[in-house]
Order: sequence, then C-alpha cells, then structure tokens
Amino acid sequence: GAGVSQSPSNKVTEKGKDVELRCDPISGHTALYWYRQSLGQGLEFLIYFQGNSAPDKSGLPSDRFSAERTGGSVSTLTIQRTQQEDSAVYLCASSLDGGYPDTQYFGPGTRLTVL
Amino acid sequence: DAKTTQPPSMDCAEGRAANLPCNHSTISGNEYVYWYRQIHSQGPQYIIHGLKNNETNEMASLIITEDRKSSTLILPHATLRDTAVYYCIVRVRAETSGSRLTFGEGTQLTVNP
Repeated sequence: GAGVSQSPSNKVTEKGKDVELRCDPISGHTALYWYRQSLGQGLEFLIYFQGNSAPDKSGLPSDRFSAERTGGSVSTLTIQRTQQEDSAVYLCASSLDGGYPDTQYFGPGTRLTVL
Repeated sequence: DAKTTQPPSMDCAEGRAANLPCNHSTISGNEYVYWYRQIHSQGPQYIIHGLKNNETNEMASLIITEDRKSSTLILPHATLRDTAVYYCIVRVRAETSGSRLTFGEGTQLTVNP
C-alpha cells in the first residue's frame, strides 16, 4: 500500500518568508509525528497528533512554527518568517494509533533551505 | 529509553550476510528493541522490532540474547542498496500515547561490490 508522502520534496525560500510543508500519512493511521533533521544530526521531535486529542506541541522550537491536521488525515507544518537556522530536512511519520509499541513509518522528507 | 551502543561503522561484501550488533545492557523487561535505517538523503525506514523472541520479516532477522542485553540485526544477503546508517533503539512504554523516536549515532554499513 501507499506509504507516507510529503510535499514538496525540496523547498528553497528566502529568509523572512513563510513556508508550508505537507504530509499525507498512511491511510488508517491515526497518529502523526513531525520531526526535523539537520545535516549530520539526529531526529528532533516537533509535534505529535493522535486522533482528536490535543496535539503534543512540546517540541516546536519557537512560536514561528505551527502545525495542523485536518480531518484526522493530512497535516501541514507552517514556518513563519523563516530563518537560516530553520534549514533542515522535515520528516513526517505516522503510526497506527500511537499505542505501545508504536511502529512509526516515515515519509521521504522535505528538504528546506532558507537563503 | 535505555541507552544503546553500536559500532560506528561496518563493511560487508555484497551477497554476504551483514550482522549488526547492538548492546543495550540496561534494557528493562517492558522495552522493545527497534531497528531503523536511513539511506543517504532519504527518510528513516522501519526494519524490524522485537521484545524477547527472535523475529524475522522480509527485510531482516533480529536475534535477541536470552538476557536481552544485546541483539543482532541480520541482513541475510546484503546488496549495495543496503548501504545505510542503521539505528538500534530501545523504546520504553510511554505513560501517554505517542512515544517520540530518538536516534543515536548508529552504524554506517557499507556494502562493497
């Protein structure tokens, strides 16, 4: 079946612009995660959605970052007034229900470059 | 999550079995061992996970020692496309749903022709 998809695959933007990154999780998966990965670094958790529950936003690095998940499926990560330090690969993962053990399946990522 | 220790790099000849070790000596009884890999410039890929028993799927086999303090991921017939960083993760049951993943340094496996 179809895996997690993300768009765009690459995004180059100028400092100060807003960007939107999209994630389509695996059909039927109710849990959705956003991570980012800077060059040569590990995973940095950003936000977690589970069904209709309030999202866990504890990993968002600043109030310039926000995310929403409409209809319990597609999610959009928005970065306002982008900064050069926001340059990274943004990864989306989904899992069946977030319950333990929670096997997360990742998308290919969106590579964001802020000039 | 319990700390894991992996060798930083390994080499394997194409067509041979690749055996990737992982030490997790502080693992608790309710913690699963997970393996992911990340091919250059791609998103992480789930490989396999296990609790106590050995596991096998279409990608790999996972051998967990009886005391659960270490495990080995086996790729039975490595191909050039298996060249990647392999991450061994021990995951504890979270009090609430949604346990975020944390990757350590992993093992860079290079499959040579």
